[in-house]
Amino acid sequence: QKEVEQNSGPLSVPEGAIASLNCTYSDRGSQSFFWYRQYSGKSPELIMFIYSNGDKEDGRFTAQLNKASQYVSLLIRDSQPSDSATYLCAVNVVGGNTPLVFGKGTRLSVIA
Amino acid sequence: GAGVSQTPSNKVTEKGKYVELRCDPISGHTALYWYRQSLGQGPEFLIYFQGTGAADDSGLPNDRFFAVRPEGSVSTLKIQRTERGDSAVYLCASSSSGGSGNTIYFGEGSWLTVV
Repeated sequence: QKEVEQNSGPLSVPEGAIASLNCTYSDRGSQSFFWYRQYSGKSPELIMFIYSNGDKEDGRFTAQLNKASQYVSLLIRDSQPSDSATYLCAVNVVGGNTPLVFGKGTRLSVIA
Repeated sequence: GAGVSQTPSNKVTEKGKYVELRCDPISGHTALYWYRQSLGQGPEFLIYFQGTGAADDSGLPNDRFFAVRPEGSVSTLKIQRTERGDSAVYLCASSSSGGSGNTIYFGEGSWLTVV
């Protein structure tokens, strides 16, 4: 059973703070890792992906991957109220175009 | 088209009826996916097409669910004898076969309510 685990939250952070979202996965063969943001009533939209151990930065977002610990995280710097959404972690086990396995998502609330 | 297009955006149907949901992927994307999302849950994989063929249909919950993609572009998800438990958002996504590989892009979803 391929599983992706996330704390459902809600995670509340004040505006301007760093939000840290965490995700663990069960299949050690997982190859690529994605973070999606989903606003209420909307479809998931891709924020970023990471394939290699370490950090990957894109603007205010940093993805961190530790394959040995089977752990991936997303940091959001200078959090804004517009960042309030559900953040979905997704994992691709086999690679190529095979389907992603999603976690249940963490609801983030940024308080102004 | 510019993005993944799904129709209808909303569908209310009576228990026992037949439903078709349509997906038009991003132009040139060979891979197409159907997911289902219930309230408070992440997207749950249903079926994946590579071209015209179903490469993986292991997520279809039972034989009431079926999907086709006859010409390798538009796909239709078909649900027979709908049940109230089928109520969910049905998300279609597509990806290209190269470049960033399996980055998938979602449509806005078809909200199905079975009453």
